[in-house]
Amino acid sequence: DAKTTQPTSMDCAEGRAANLPCNHSTISGNEYVYWYRQIHSQGPQYIIHGLKNNETNEMASLIITEDRKSSTLILPHATLRDTAVYYCIVRVGGETSGSRLTFGEGTQLTVNP
Amino acid sequence: NAGVMQNPRHLVRRRGQEARLRCSPMKGHSHVYWYRQLPEEGLKFMVYLQKENIIDESGMPKERFSAEFPKEGPSILRIQQVVRGDSAAYFCASSPPNYSSGNTIYFGEGSWLTVV
Repeated sequence: DAKTTQPTSMDCAEGRAANLPCNHSTISGNEYVYWYRQIHSQGPQYIIHGLKNNETNEMASLIITEDRKSSTLILPHATLRDTAVYYCIVRVGGETSGSRLTFGEGTQLTVNP
Repeated sequence: NAGVMQNPRHLVRRRGQEARLRCSPMKGHSHVYWYRQLPEEGLKFMVYLQKENIIDESGMPKERFSAEFPKEGPSILRIQQVVRGDSAAYFCASSPPNYSSGNTIYFGEGSWLTVV
C-alpha cells in the first residue's frame, strides 16, 4: 500500500471548517483513499473513502486532486467532539489478500472553543 | 444494526496466564482483522482472517499468539503465557467479502488487556 504523509498536528476553531491534508504521491490506480479517526481510548471510526471523484457524506467531504497524489478531508463545522487523531490511508481495492488498512501516525486535530 | 462486538472490554491477567479475546463481526461480514495498539503508540496490524482461513498473519508475533475464525462463532485472538509487554488495546475489525468498490472496514471498541 502507498505511503501517506500528514501533518503531525492541526488546530481548528469550533464552528469553523477543518481541512486536513494528505499526500499520497505514489498511489496506484487501484488504490482507494480512506479516512478514519480515533478519539482517545476508542476504536477507529470510519469517515469516508474515495477513488478519484470527490465524495461527501453526513460526516465530511473528501476532495481528491485530479492526479490523485493528494487529498483533503473537510469537516465543514468542527465541534469539540471532532478532536481526534485523523488517519489518511490508501488501500488496494479488488479481490486481493493483504487488503488490510495500514495506519501511519495521523494528524492530531484539536478543536478549540 | 449491531456493530463489531468485542469482549471482554477489559481483561486483567497475571503473567503466564492465557488471554482470549473474542470478536463478532458485523452482520454479513466474513472478513476479520485484528490490530494492536500499545500505550501511546499507533495501530499495528496483526492478522487478517476469513471464515476458517488465515489470509495474512504477517503482523502476528511468531510465538504465543494465535487467531482463528471458525465457521460458527466469533473470531478469537489467543495469547498464551502473557507478559507485561502484551498489555495493550486489541481492536477487531470486519468487512464484507466484496472488495471491488473499495469496501469499508469497521472497527470494534477494543479489548484492553492489562498484564500484572
